Amino acid sequence: GAVVSQHPSRVICKSGTSVKIECRSLDFQATTMFWYRQFPKKSLMLMATSNEGSKATYEQGVEKDKFLINHASLTLSTLTVTSAHPEDSSFYICSASAQQGVGYGYTFGSGTRLTVV
Amino acid sequence: QKEVEQDPGPLSVPEGAIVSLNCTYSNSAFQYFMWYRQYSRKGPELLMYTYSSGNKEDGRFTAQVDKSSKYISLFIRDSQPSDSATYLCAMSRSGAGSYQLTFGKGTKLSVIP
Repeated sequence: GAVVSQHPSRVICKSGTSVKIECRSLDFQATTMFWYRQFPKKSLMLMATSNEGSKATYEQGVEKDKFLINHASLTLSTLTVTSAHPEDSSFYICSASAQQGVGYGYTFGSGTRLTVV
Repeated sequence: QKEVEQDPGPLSVPEGAIVSLNCTYSNSAFQYFMWYRQYSRKGPELLMYTYSSGNKEDGRFTAQVDKSSKYISLFIRDSQPSDSATYLCAMSRSGAGSYQLTFGKGTKLSVIP
C-alpha cells in the first residue's frame, strides 16, 4: 500500500529558531499533500494544502510567513516552522493521496512532535 | 454547532466486548465517510471508508452511515487489547473540495484484557 514517510518524528528546538519537517510519498507520486496540526484531545486541524510546483493554500488563521510550505517535487513536501515559539509546540502530521480529488484515499505520515523550549 | 461531533470518551471495555463508536455531523454535503485509528504519537491509519449511506463490513469492523440522521457508526466485534487507540471519524464532500477532510475530535478506546 501507499506509504508516507515523515521526518523527524520528534524535535526539540529553542525559541526563535526554525524547524523543517519533511513529508515524502515513498511509492507513489502526490501532486497534493496536506499538513495538519493536532493538539491533545483535539481533532486534526488542516493547516494548508501543498501543491506541487505552486504556492500552498493556507487555511484561515494560519500564518503563511510562519509556516512555510514547499512542494518541490511530486514526492516531497516540507513544512518549516520559522521563529518557533512555545505556543507552536504541537503534533504536526502530513498526508498525501495518489488519487487526486478523492476524499478517502489519503495516507498519513507518522507525525512530528515539535517541542519549543 | 461544529461540523462534526464525536464523543471524546475515554471508553473502556473488557476484551471480547462489542464497541460502538459514533459521530454526528451537520453538513449535508458530506458524501465520503471514513474511520481512522490513531495509536499514541502516530499518524492516523485508515480503517474504513463508505460512500453515501449504507453498511460496510471488514473483518471485525462494521461501518454504518445514516445520512437521513447525519449519523455514522463504527462497530468493533470481539474487541482486542490491540484495538486500544483513538478512533477518528472523518468526512468529505464530493466534487470541488472533496480532498478536504473534516475530522471529529476522536474517541479514545481502551480494551482491557
